[in-house]
Amino acid sequence: GNSVTQMEGPVTLSEEAFLTINCTYTATGYPSLFWYVQYPGEGLQLLLKATKADDKGSNKGFEATYRKETTSFHLEKGSVQVSDSAVYFCALRPLSGGYNKLIFGAGTRLAVHP
Amino acid sequence: DVKVTQSSRYLVKRTGEKVFLECVQDMDHENMFWYRQDPGLGLRLIYFSYDVKMKEKGDIPEGYSVSREKKERFSLILESASTNQTSMYLCASSRTGKSTYEQYFGPGTRLTVT
Repeated sequence: GNSVTQMEGPVTLSEEAFLTINCTYTATGYPSLFWYVQYPGEGLQLLLKATKADDKGSNKGFEATYRKETTSFHLEKGSVQVSDSAVYFCALRPLSGGYNKLIFGAGTRLAVHP
Repeated sequence: DVKVTQSSRYLVKRTGEKVFLECVQDMDHENMFWYRQDPGLGLRLIYFSYDVKMKEKGDIPEGYSVSREKKERFSLILESASTNQTSMYLCASSRTGKSTYEQYFGPGTRLTVT
């Protein structure tokens, strides 16, 4: 079946540190991949996405590359800010099934300290 | 600006009560979704709807039902609330089609069943 595995949190970093949050997936074929972010007290919002192998999604200084050989979609940022503190969710949209259903990972909490 | 709204941010109900959670979107989206979010489990799909009066079960539909009488509104119903339904409930909507469309989320309803 389809599934998403994320590294467990919390991840605690100092401001300006480099961030990596690992995400691997299991799916048939080549699904679309997403990173969503949830700031405290809010719903989820799309951070970035990639729809085919070797695509790189990027937004707000965050990047993730769709690696089919390792079935991964790791999230990176070169220099984090306190305002990046949030929960990050990796998700996939299966190739089949329609209706734009998503399968989410468990989420990784990031805390950035000044 | 796109918007998904949920009727309550916080709700406290007693065991056995019938509970209604309402979600409204203003983007004329065909698809609407109800998730529950629990620590360490990420988001799990309860039900989704791909058109008015049309619905399909997600991964954890037991103890829940839904209603979609109008395109913009999707209701989640807990027929007889139980303590294990204490959770954060998130509503989302998206366009439909073969392309990969973003899901837009509401702010969530934190439900406590005592």
